[in-house]
Amino acid sequence: EAGVAQSPRYKIIEKRQSVAFWCNPISGHATLYWYQQILGQGPKLLIQFQNNGVVDDSQLPKDRFSAERLKGVDSTLKIQPAKLEDSAVYLCASSLRLAGVETQYFGPGTRLLVL
Amino acid sequence: KQEVTQIPAALSVPEGENLVLNCSFTDSAIYNLQWFRQDPGKGLTSLLLIQSSQREQTSGRLNASLDKSSGRSTLYIAASQPGDSATYLCAVSAGNMLTFGGGTRLMVKP
Repeated sequence: EAGVAQSPRYKIIEKRQSVAFWCNPISGHATLYWYQQILGQGPKLLIQFQNNGVVDDSQLPKDRFSAERLKGVDSTLKIQPAKLEDSAVYLCASSLRLAGVETQYFGPGTRLLVL
Repeated sequence: KQEVTQIPAALSVPEGENLVLNCSFTDSAIYNLQWFRQDPGKGLTSLLLIQSSQREQTSGRLNASLDKSSGRSTLYIAASQPGDSATYLCAVSAGNMLTFGGGTRLMVKP
């Protein structure tokens, strides 16, 4: 079974530029998550989708970050304009509920450096 | 608001040692607790999941315990190997939402 795919793996941009990340979840997983992981910290949830609807985006900086999940499958996360403090790894995860337990599967992440 | 803390932040041990990683959380109203492993440049791999009604889970050389009332969990690694070198993260779940600790960076020296 293929895992969660993310691209690009690495991105270097200058501040005030725009950037977009793409995620393809595991087939059949209805729930998709985007996390931000700053160096030396644990991942922080940015947004959660259930199919193509937003469940939780309370920690998404909506003035510069946006995300969509068209057709309830792939998702994109965009930052416009980027700031230095956005340098982090952006992790995508999808989840499946079995026997009452929700298990999240993580992609390899996109490492963003803002100069 | 749930806060998760992991101690120590970094640990270096010689091969063969048994070791304990600690995780504490502030809100005991959790569904479950998970321990993840993260290798450099890779995503997270789930190691063990303990339901809120359980006290411990074991997988091979790994044993995780959960004391919900005190807000603590430990991950015990027996007979550590260089291949165990990675960052270990604990995360508590309330519904679908995971709240992560900052991780413990483990180095096992040959």
